[in-house]
Amino acid sequence: DAMVIQNPRYQVTQFGKPVTLSCSQTLNHNVMYWYQQKSSQAPKLLFHYYDKDFNNEADTPDNFQSRRPNTSFCFLDIRSPGLGDAAMYLCATSTPGPYYREQFFGPGTRLTVL
Amino acid sequence: AQSVTQLGSHVSVSEGALVLLRCNYSSSVPPYLFWYVQYPNQGLQLLLKYTSAATLVKGINGFEAEFKKSETSFHLTKPSAHMSDAAEYFCAVSGTGNKLVFGAGTILRVKS
Repeated sequence: DAMVIQNPRYQVTQFGKPVTLSCSQTLNHNVMYWYQQKSSQAPKLLFHYYDKDFNNEADTPDNFQSRRPNTSFCFLDIRSPGLGDAAMYLCATSTPGPYYREQFFGPGTRLTVL
Repeated sequence: AQSVTQLGSHVSVSEGALVLLRCNYSSSVPPYLFWYVQYPNQGLQLLLKYTSAATLVKGINGFEAEFKKSETSFHLTKPSAHMSDAAEYFCAVSGTGNKLVFGAGTILRVKS
């Protein structure tokens, strides 16, 4: 089945220690998104790629970076995690166009910062 | 700009009772609307979507939603709640630039 895969599902890191979260997709979608979701809140968009075109949200901290080496993979790098970065991180994909923007989500990575 | 308001951060129903989760939207263009469900420690799963075809949209797991332009609403319903429906539900509208605008979410509790 075509899907969005996130690894690892659970990640524990130490305060200030860089961490990388991974997302891959078999849907061949042009657009890939990274969201941060804290407890009982809506997902908050951090940035997205339209092919290799990177689009950062204005309020995304510089501590968060992303890479998309090819269509299938996208990475979220947190350079110096703080306690406030503990959250669920969701990857999603969609096809672009003038019509609806249905997004397909991965299962998420739960990040714990000690 | 587009926005979504979900009325009620928590809704509690008895098993077998009607489920009604409310969503109102604001959009300067004809909207495309979505309902997603999220189970604990999982990603978001699409329940249903409105894309300007039929105003009554049927989704998975017995859910449906009706688009009412005059009321700018897209409420989610299910005739008979099941314990497995307990989850968080998000309404979303298509925004600009390949984005979705989410509501704050409604946690549904189902009592036995």
